[in-house]
Amino acid sequence: NAGVMQNPRHLVRRRGQEARLRCSPMKGHSHVYWYRQLPEEGLKFMVYLQKENIIDESGMPKERFSAEFPKEGPSILRIQQVVRGDSAAYFCASSPSTGIDTEAFFGQGTRLTVV
Amino acid sequence: AQRVTQPEKLLSVFKGAPVELKCNYSYSGSPELFWYVQYSRQRLQLLLRHISRESIKGFTADLNKGETSFHLKKPFAQEEDSAMYYCALDPGSGGSNYKLTFGKGTLLTVNP
Repeated sequence: NAGVMQNPRHLVRRRGQEARLRCSPMKGHSHVYWYRQLPEEGLKFMVYLQKENIIDESGMPKERFSAEFPKEGPSILRIQQVVRGDSAAYFCASSPSTGIDTEAFFGQGTRLTVV
Repeated sequence: AQRVTQPEKLLSVFKGAPVELKCNYSYSGSPELFWYVQYSRQRLQLLLRHISRESIKGFTADLNKGETSFHLKKPFAQEEDSAMYYCALDPGSGGSNYKLTFGKGTLLTVNP
């Protein structure tokens, strides 16, 4: 099992462009979580998805950010009209279920730089 | 809202010395606490959680509700322990285990 795969590892976008970050969960995992780590900060929860459903998006900014996890293919975190403040490391994690004994496995992250 | 504080950004010790990485939290309920570790060029991975009360790689952490702390300790540090360590909190509602709040991390360096 290759683990949670995120791509690209590094992404540079100009202000106003769109950023698409992809996350392929571990095999057998149907729960995906996205976290954002701003410079000099800890990771912060953004959104939790299951296949084709957004379960909890309480950490997502209200505008420009969206996430999906289609029936086929990776989960996508989409940031429209990026601004410099979106520069951060975005981490994806996956788990086979949720619950007190469940461990979420993290990807290596995508570092987004907005210039 | 919950908050996790790791007061030390950097911590440097010599091999064989005891190490303690501090973590304090603020949350009104009964949270679940975790320690995550990120070795150089590797993924973030779970080190231990307070509910399991186990020792991983010689590390232990005790949840002190009175002091709202969850410090990570190891009696004899090894060079391979050098890594970034993150303390994390889950509100624990329904055992969700996904809506984690992380501290800013402590970079531990163990010198030979």
